[in-house]
Amino acid sequence: DAGVIQSPRHEVTEMGQEVTLRCKPISGHNSLFWYRQTMMRGLELLIYFNNNVPIDDSGMPEDRFSAKMPNASFSTLKIQPSEPRDSAVYFCASRYYWGGTSTDTQYFGPGTRLTVL
Amino acid sequence: GQQLNQSPQSMFIQEGEDVSMNCTSSSIFNTWLWYKQDPGEGPVLLIALYKAGELTSNGRLTAQFGITRKDSFLNISASIPSDVGIYFCAGGSGGYQKVTFGTGTKLQVIP
Repeated sequence: DAGVIQSPRHEVTEMGQEVTLRCKPISGHNSLFWYRQTMMRGLELLIYFNNNVPIDDSGMPEDRFSAKMPNASFSTLKIQPSEPRDSAVYFCASRYYWGGTSTDTQYFGPGTRLTVL
Repeated sequence: GQQLNQSPQSMFIQEGEDVSMNCTSSSIFNTWLWYKQDPGEGPVLLIALYKAGELTSNGRLTAQFGITRKDSFLNISASIPSDVGIYFCAGGSGGYQKVTFGTGTKLQVIP
């Protein structure tokens, strides 16, 4: 299995520009997560989807951030307009969730390092 | 929201020493997970715990799910240089088992 695939691995952009991060989850997984990692705030959950439906987006910082999952094999996280404080490493993770209190392992992608100048 | 407090924040140890780190929360979790993150990579799962009181080992790593369901610890025995990295605890709870991550423990091993 190729694991969770994220692109691009690195993104440098200027303040005000639109940024789109992409994620391909592991085939067969039905839950997808977007995280942001910074030195100051650690690993923060931004949003997660189950069966392509957003379940909890309470971690999304503000309206400039949006996430979509049009199908089971693709998700995007968009920032528009971007700001310097958005600079961070953004991780996508996926898992198979079969319900109840059981939970399977979340597998993380390699991350996208975003720098907003 | 839920918060997981991890300690220590960082530690320097000599190769061969044992390491202990823990995670505490004011909330109850149904699952406890321990991850390791190497520089430039995403976190990788080390151990998963599903029942209060459970003690699980993975090679030189041992983790326990606290009886109160509000804490967990991870021990690493006979540390080696490749143990260097950031260790995160994470707790799962609620519908869809949302996972909350701790603040991380940065481990440095001196050869």
